[in-house]
Amino acid sequence: EAGVVQSPRYKIIEKKQPVAFWCNPISGHNTLYWYRQNLGQGPELLIRYENEEAVDDSQLPKDRFSAERLKGVDSTLKIQPAELGDSAVYLCASSLRQGRGYEQYFGPGTRLTVT
Amino acid sequence: AQSVTQLGSHVSVSEGALVLLRCNYSSSVPPYLFWYVQYPNQGLQLLLKYTTGATLVKGINGFEAEFKKSETSFHLTKPSAHMSDAAEYFCAVGGGMNRDDKIIFGKGTRLHILP
Repeated sequence: EAGVVQSPRYKIIEKKQPVAFWCNPISGHNTLYWYRQNLGQGPELLIRYENEEAVDDSQLPKDRFSAERLKGVDSTLKIQPAELGDSAVYLCASSLRQGRGYEQYFGPGTRLTVT
Repeated sequence: AQSVTQLGSHVSVSEGALVLLRCNYSSSVPPYLFWYVQYPNQGLQLLLKYTTGATLVKGINGFEAEFKKSETSFHLTKPSAHMSDAAEYFCAVGGGMNRDDKIIFGKGTRLHILP
């Protein structure tokens, strides 16, 4: 069974430039998560999807971040424009569904460096 | 609301010695708990989880954890450390109902194995 796929693995951009990250979850997983992991910290949830619906985007900086999950499968996270403080690892995870006992499976992440 | 505290951002043990990584949680509802491991440049991998039932949970790679409600703790142990155990370990707590249910990660503990 293929795991969660993310691309690119690494991205270096200048501040004020746009950037996009792509995630393909495990087949059949209804719930998809985007996390940001700053250096030396644990992952922090940005947005959670149940199928196509964003059910929790309370931590997503909506002035510059956007996300979509078309057809309830792949998802894209975008930052426009990027700021120096956006440098972090962006992790995508998926689970069969949301709730007690359903573990999240993580992709390898995209390491973003904003210069 | 939930929160999790991992005591010690770095822990060093000798190869063959006992591994003990501490995690305390706070939750206003019955929690479910996870331990994840992260190797360099990789995503998080589930070690073990507690949802309900038996409070001593066994996971992969010889790790286990015990849920102690009275102490609000979920410490991770392994009887004998191996060099391959060197990694970052994250404790996480979940709970809540439906859309309020989310997983909160601790800041992580980096485990160093001394030869």
